[in-house]
Amino acid sequence: KAGVTQTPRYLIKTRGQQVTLSCSPISGHRSVSWYQQTPGQGLQFLFEYFSETQRNKGNFPGRFSGRQFSNSRSEMNVSTLELGDSALYLCASSLTGLHEQYFGPGTRLTVT
Amino acid sequence: SQQGEEDPQALSIQEGENATMNCSYKTSINNLQWYRQNSGRGLVHLILIRSNEREKHSGRLRVTLDTSKKSSSLLITASRAADTASYFCATDTQGAQKLVFGQGTRLTINP
Repeated sequence: KAGVTQTPRYLIKTRGQQVTLSCSPISGHRSVSWYQQTPGQGLQFLFEYFSETQRNKGNFPGRFSGRQFSNSRSEMNVSTLELGDSALYLCASSLTGLHEQYFGPGTRLTVT
Repeated sequence: SQQGEEDPQALSIQEGENATMNCSYKTSINNLQWYRQNSGRGLVHLILIRSNEREKHSGRLRVTLDTSKKSSSLLITASRAADTASYFCATDTQGAQKLVFGQGTRLTINP
């Protein structure tokens, strides 16, 4: 069974630009969660989608948004990038949402 | 803010020794999970313990949960070089419906 894939793996953007990250979950998993990982703040929950609906949301500004497609693939978008958005963005899929999440390798975003 | 706090922040031991790391949390939980992360890569799920369980085993891993103290411990026995990684606890709290991760313990196994 293929694991969770994330594209791209690395990205360099300039302040003010926007970025879209993609996540393909494990086949059969309907829940996709997104996390931001930084050395200072650690792993922080962004949002979770289940069957194309955002089910939970973390404490991030509206510049961070996401969506899920009918095939469970998910994208997250960050608009008006700031230097502080530089981070490893991880997506995780699971059957139910909270239990036994399978993580992708992450997208390393650098904002200059 | 982080729900879980791991202790110690870093741990260095010799191969073959046991490694113990602890996690404390603030509010009542449904479940507590432990994950491993190798050097800036994705996390790997290790074990889940429910709030009504006190101890769970999986191979060389032993997890305990003390809900009265709001704490959990992860014991790795007979450590190997491949166990070098960061270990995170994650809790899902009653009513919050999201996973909250601690800051992690960085474990180094020396050959």
